[in-house]
Amino acid sequence: ETGVTQSPTHLIKTRGQQVTLRCSSQSGHNTVSWYQQALGQGPQFIFQYYREEENGRGNFPPRFSGLQFPNYSSELNVNALELDDSALYLCASSSEGAGGSVQYFGPGTRLTVT
Amino acid sequence: GQNIDQPTEMTATEGAIVQINCTYQTSGFNGLFWYQQHAGEAPTFLSYNVLDGLEEKGRFSSFLSRSKGYSYLLLKELQMKDSASYLCAVKSRETGANNLFFGTGTRLTVIP
Repeated sequence: ETGVTQSPTHLIKTRGQQVTLRCSSQSGHNTVSWYQQALGQGPQFIFQYYREEENGRGNFPPRFSGLQFPNYSSELNVNALELDDSALYLCASSSEGAGGSVQYFGPGTRLTVT
Repeated sequence: GQNIDQPTEMTATEGAIVQINCTYQTSGFNGLFWYQQHAGEAPTFLSYNVLDGLEEKGRFSSFLSRSKGYSYLLLKELQMKDSASYLCAVKSRETGANNLFFGTGTRLTVIP
């Protein structure tokens, strides 16, 4: 158990809808990173939040957005869902101010877009 | 950009030793990580190298050569429960954040 939680576990949405995924970080961690993992692929970096600010972003369009709250929990929002957004969404918790720290993953949210 | 290569699939026998290789090209290197991922589950942290050499952790060891852009994960005394995907990931600040770039993973099957 990493102490990182995500909700919901599974979600089915229709193309064009919007979705919000949630992540609670491990106690003592100030950084949350979000990843998208398509079937048979490695996770791909979406963005990272450090002390409530977006700290870096991967190659994802602006319809992927996020927030981090004062307690370091985080949300991932995806607007105008597309079929290709179907994937496992993972959040990872860490203390990146410490440089090469370990990122611990939550159980993920499986999103299906029909 | 980042480029991380690892074999797609490997098969090994219970009780044996297996080595999973990973080669990478990166800018802003800040560590090499190995994760284990069982089907339908989240990645679980196994090991981390930032300096050259071998890190040992029970049945698992990981090696890094930064000059060669090369790492391997060594699994000893294989057990059936070791059947999983093994993800090699490089930590880099290329995007401005200290984030992980993953390979596609090596699916290991342990047979009796």
